[in-house]
Amino acid sequence: GENVEQHPSTLSVQEGDSAVIKCTYSDSASNYFPWYKQELGKRPQLIIDIRSNVGEKKDQRIAVTLNKTAKHFSLHITETQPEDSAVYFCAASIRGGKLIFGQGTELSVKP
Amino acid sequence: GAVVSQHPSWVICKSGTSVKIECRSLDFQATTMFWYRQFPKQSLMLMATSNEGSKATYEQGVEKDKFLINHASLTLSTLTVTSAHPEDSSFYICSARKINRAGGYEQYFGPGTRLTVT
Repeated sequence: GENVEQHPSTLSVQEGDSAVIKCTYSDSASNYFPWYKQELGKRPQLIIDIRSNVGEKKDQRIAVTLNKTAKHFSLHITETQPEDSAVYFCAASIRGGKLIFGQGTELSVKP
Repeated sequence: GAVVSQHPSWVICKSGTSVKIECRSLDFQATTMFWYRQFPKQSLMLMATSNEGSKATYEQGVEKDKFLINHASLTLSTLTVTSAHPEDSSFYICSARKINRAGGYEQYFGPGTRLTVT
């Protein structure tokens, strides 16, 4: 079945720096790749997603890139702020089916 | 966006009892909902896919007789943990699948239910 690997598990950056989180997936049929932000004790919040017919998508300080050939996708956060600190999860699914999540990245933005 | 609610937000029960958790999509219809379990500092593990009007599809290793799922309407799915044991203590989160304007799918999560079995 589908497997999603996420790296790094923890990431610490200075406020204003950029943060990059990377994921790889195993099933080439996957065509939907969302990213979720989860604060402690709260629900995962969808922050951006990308579909397989697009290579890059940007929303203000957040961008996601997809390399279908290599089965890689990445989350880029620019000009990080302390409120960006949270756990970020990537996921992959096939045709809107069940989401398979990566292991999560705990991002810490230091003021 | 879309709003998904979950009830209760937390529950404490005694070992051997059953607990029901409700998941509702408040402003959209969801033919498909998903149930996840999340242990502290871990990722979300899919337990089952809940389809309105049909039997749920369980992931490998999840006991269907222990985790009963009912999806009786387009806005409500329930998860019942039967004969709960301390090892069932976890954070249970549901999600509801919404079809966006372009015909694609998005999943929105409920706030989760913290279950503690004593």
